Amino acid sequence: KNQVEQSPQSLIILEGKNCTLQCNYTVSPFSNLRWYKQDTGRGPVSLTIMTFSENTKSNGRYTATLDADTKQSSLHITASQLSDSASYICVVSTSGGGADGLTFGKGTHLIIQP
Amino acid sequence: GAGVSQSPSNKVTEKGKDVELRCDPISGHTALYWYRQSLGQGLEFLIYFQGNSAPDKSGLPSDRFSAERTGGSVSTLTIQRTQQEDSAVYLCASRPSRVNTDTQYFGPGTRLTVL
Repeated sequence: KNQVEQSPQSLIILEGKNCTLQCNYTVSPFSNLRWYKQDTGRGPVSLTIMTFSENTKSNGRYTATLDADTKQSSLHITASQLSDSASYICVVSTSGGGADGLTFGKGTHLIIQP
Repeated sequence: GAGVSQSPSNKVTEKGKDVELRCDPISGHTALYWYRQSLGQGLEFLIYFQGNSAPDKSGLPSDRFSAERTGGSVSTLTIQRTQQEDSAVYLCASRPSRVNTDTQYFGPGTRLTVL
């Protein structure tokens, strides 16, 4: 069964600090992995997408990594800001299966404190 | 351009009533998805439309749930005889096509509360 596990479930850090969110998956065959940011009361917004051959991809202060061998991804946030407070969702895509081959993690709830 | 819009933004209803939730996808997007997000939970897939193909209804939790997409554009999710456990945020997303690398664009959601 395709699964996406995210950790930690929630995280509180001080403004200006760095943090790393984890995503482990058992999805086959793997097509790509995407990180979304979901602000409270809003829909998720895509941050990055990584395909099998990509190891690292950055979007401003967000850097995603992918290890396709161990089936792990991380999202690193540098110099956190109050606006980074949100849920971060890992979504893995496969070429087949239900829901058009998308498997969602439950998300990490990140709180940035001043 | 305009993003995905959903209406209403909030809906409070009494147990046993029917509700209709509306989604206006981005113009030209052929794929449309409905998800449910309960408090503290991840996104739960409900139904998926792709062009003129038969929808993938594998995620609908019961026969009280149904959805249609008229003219390949606007979609309506209907919940009949609502129950308290139906309370959640219902999110709609559209995608340019079903190419795997295409981005899903989500609407702001409809928060449904069943009293």
